[in-house]
Amino acid sequence: LAKTTQPISMDSYEGQEVNITCSHNNIATNDYITWYQQFPSQGPRFIIQGYKTKVTNEVASLFIPADRKSSTLSLPRVSLSDTAVYYCLVGPEYNFNKFYFGSGTKLNVKP
Amino acid sequence: GVTQSPTHLIKTRGQQVTLRCSSQSGHNTVSWYQQALGQGPQFIFQYYREEENGRGNFPPRFSGLQFPNDSSELNVNALELDDSALYLCASSLGTDEQFFGPGTRLTVL
Repeated sequence: LAKTTQPISMDSYEGQEVNITCSHNNIATNDYITWYQQFPSQGPRFIIQGYKTKVTNEVASLFIPADRKSSTLSLPRVSLSDTAVYYCLVGPEYNFNKFYFGSGTKLNVKP
Repeated sequence: GVTQSPTHLIKTRGQQVTLRCSSQSGHNTVSWYQQALGQGPQFIFQYYREEENGRGNFPPRFSGLQFPNDSSELNVNALELDDSALYLCASSLGTDEQFFGPGTRLTVL
């Protein structure tokens, strides 16, 4: 499984756009990039998944450059409730349930 | 959704524990994860249609069962202090998006 590298923590203020970048230099051709969000004492929650270019849903956007060695999760206009740990996962779609989570990025949104 | 029981559990070293998970209706795949404090979830194993379908780097004293009624169990024998963690189960329909339960917090004294 491809290993990922993320910043340990990030601070932001309410209303700002937050971009969390993940490095995955050893990503394989059939690997997808998936982001999860986790609040304390809760299970992770799926945010977004992509393979290349840009994916957008009602919660976030995912930007993936052509070489796919990194990806950026973009959260528009964060609120206090977006304070959580964000995990970047890389793995083949057929093996989706066995992804390596890593330590994630602790996002702290301040008022 | 996915539910887990109990919410919290305290055991002593050497004891055995059974954690339970109720999958989302219709899901045929359940995965179990161990999450130590401050770390990301680590994959323990996965069950697909009641058969083990992959295992992470965990010893045999971690075992599981999946039942046809959307329920599953994680059993841990000979508990060690390092087994203290949040145990998460996640269910899915095959390789589709997995949905996590709230977890069981296990403390081993």
